[in-house]
Amino acid sequence: SQELEQSPQSLIVQEGKNLTINCTSSKTLYGLYWYKQKYGEGLIFLMMLQKGGEEKSHEKITAKLDEKKQQSSLHITASQPSHAGTYLCGADMEYNAGNMLTFGGGTRLMVKP
Amino acid sequence: GAGVSQTPSNKVTEKGKYVELRCDPISGHTALYWYRQSLGQGPEFLIYFQGTGAADDSGLPNDRFFAVRPEGSVSTLKIQRTERGDSAVYLCASSPTSLGEQFFGPGTRLTVL
Repeated sequence: SQELEQSPQSLIVQEGKNLTINCTSSKTLYGLYWYKQKYGEGLIFLMMLQKGGEEKSHEKITAKLDEKKQQSSLHITASQPSHAGTYLCGADMEYNAGNMLTFGGGTRLMVKP
Repeated sequence: GAGVSQTPSNKVTEKGKYVELRCDPISGHTALYWYRQSLGQGPEFLIYFQGTGAADDSGLPNDRFFAVRPEGSVSTLKIQRTERGDSAVYLCASSPTSLGEQFFGPGTRLTVL
């Protein structure tokens, strides 16, 4: 979606390295969701961010939402092969409108052992 | 407990045929969403149900697409006169309310020959 830009589109990292994926919008994001998708499978929920400046962590993955609520980043520390997959950011871009999500194009991550 | 299920997992049909795709949401979830994901792209919103009614169908691409949720639980996405461009993975998600995390099913891969 042009409303939500993800970068990079793809990423290859060596196991153990850190990486960051970005999700940017020109509009205010009322809810920002990070999902992971393995090929041929559904989306697995990672984290949800709603407040400007919010940061959440789970295991080795940290997600942040900037103060203006227009950009989010997903950071993976000490990447492992199990982190491989496509990471999708999805956002609720209308206030109180039912939470229909607009998704970015995804970032395909490959982790080399 | 059981997650969101979708049937069939794969559907191959011929151009011009009618297809139905089924979604069984998590029990008790009032909100249900349909998305379509083309190869290499993020999911795109199609329609959102709150209970039995379609609260927002602005994402349906044309009048060949229709969805129902007659008892506020199972939903069926119906596509008439299928076209090759309809080939995609159709994802269903449900949520306890219209806020918060959406739980995705594994999707139905539709191929129109």
